Amino acid sequence: DVKVTQSSRYLVKRTGEKVFLECVQDMDHENMFWYRQDPGLGLRLIYFSYDVKMKEKGDIPEGYSVSREKKERFSLILESASTNQTSMYLCASKRSGGHGGYTFGSGTRLTVV
Amino acid sequence: DQQVKQNSPSLSVQEGRISILNCDYTNSMFDYFLWYKKYPAEGPTFLISISSIKDKNEDGRFTVFLNKSAKHLSLHIVPSQPGDSAVYFCAARLNAGGTSYGKLTFGQGTILTVHP
Repeated sequence: DVKVTQSSRYLVKRTGEKVFLECVQDMDHENMFWYRQDPGLGLRLIYFSYDVKMKEKGDIPEGYSVSREKKERFSLILESASTNQTSMYLCASKRSGGHGGYTFGSGTRLTVV
Repeated sequence: DQQVKQNSPSLSVQEGRISILNCDYTNSMFDYFLWYKKYPAEGPTFLISISSIKDKNEDGRFTVFLNKSAKHLSLHIVPSQPGDSAVYFCAARLNAGGTSYGKLTFGQGTILTVHP
């Protein structure tokens, strides 16, 4: 019973390409998040969204944008991929309020060559 | 500016013994702390949490301790099992009066290896 689905497990893209990473959740959560995971740096927040069409920058938004046209879908866009964006990308969702933790997707391993 | 730090990149313990994973934070406005466990090629999964108004929370083999004065929390796993081998992340939530939307700040992670 997968609840947060990331469309690709592995992606290889060329420098300069526009890259779309898709995330869908079926739990009717209001909040959705994009993180990247790098060795020694942990998980760093790129962008998050607290409602449809609403978005907020995280700690490392440079080089990224996001789109949330529907409640269940949150897309991360790399406008012009660079090699330093090679990373594991993790999408998560959370219901508003309460102390609940995130539900994460399985991640997308992106390699930019 | 790393507000949540896990200073031990790795920890190795024998099966049946105690595993202690540590986490330090700098922001006194964090009001909720969580531990996540991550296996390779999978997303992190929630393990256990603690509110800043408590100093201990227990769930089976897992116990989290919070020392607010020291800005330190730890995760104890007793007894450790080989299946516990994974990366463990601590995370903290900022109390920003409802505007934080529950976003979490994560530490760097600690790789736990439990040997049979």
